[in-house]
Amino acid sequence: EIVLTQSPDTLSLSPGERATLSCRASQSVGTYLAWYQQKFGQAPRLLIYDASNRATDIPARFSGSGSGTDFTLTISSLEPEDFAIYYCQQRTNWPSTIYTFGQGTKLEIK
Amino acid sequence: QVQLVQSGAEVKKPGASVKVSCKTSGYTFTGYYMHWVRQAPGQGLEWMGWFNPNTGGANLARKFQGRVTLTRDTSMNTAYMELTRLNSDDTAMYYCARVRTLHLDYAAYWGQGTLVTVSS
Repeated sequence: EIVLTQSPDTLSLSPGERATLSCRASQSVGTYLAWYQQKFGQAPRLLIYDASNRATDIPARFSGSGSGTDFTLTISSLEPEDFAIYYCQQRTNWPSTIYTFGQGTKLEIK
Repeated sequence: QVQLVQSGAEVKKPGASVKVSCKTSGYTFTGYYMHWVRQAPGQGLEWMGWFNPNTGGANLARKFQGRVTLTRDTSMNTAYMELTRLNSDDTAMYYCARVRTLHLDYAAYWGQGTLVTVSS
């Protein structure tokens, strides 16, 4: 089973700063990687799919990059509403299609 | 608009079973796969499995095989997740989530969650 490791566990930044979150896979997942945002008490929200495509209604300040085993979620200029927990998720297609999540990165206000 | 409304919170004893429902509206129920995801208190997200409401086919994460059954009622546009032989580690918020496109895809539309508490 592919394991996703996110770093850092916690990221402390101020509004207006740039955030860079990392997700590393234990083996290649191609570009089958998504990013989700979860605020306290809410269901997750899909931000990025297939490594670099923004989901519907996601602001342009969110961008994703990477392929293979190393992926990055970048928030270009943090807004107050961006402070939340972020999860990456990968999809494996062999021998059957399964998904796994990373452990999450908490983005907190400095 | 796409809506997924889940059943209410449950309290169960160890060894019991729970069945969570996910009633959908705003789209063709049989056209889109469904994921089930859970989250223990203060913990991260855990993918449980996917379900095809058209065929009834499903695939579960290894740890849930033998304990989780995914079903649907197409007349009610509702999906179900049943978890048996509950233990305290199953205390969690359980989410259903519809995929983004007409293919097996990522979870784009989420239910509000159903809290299942397992306690003696």
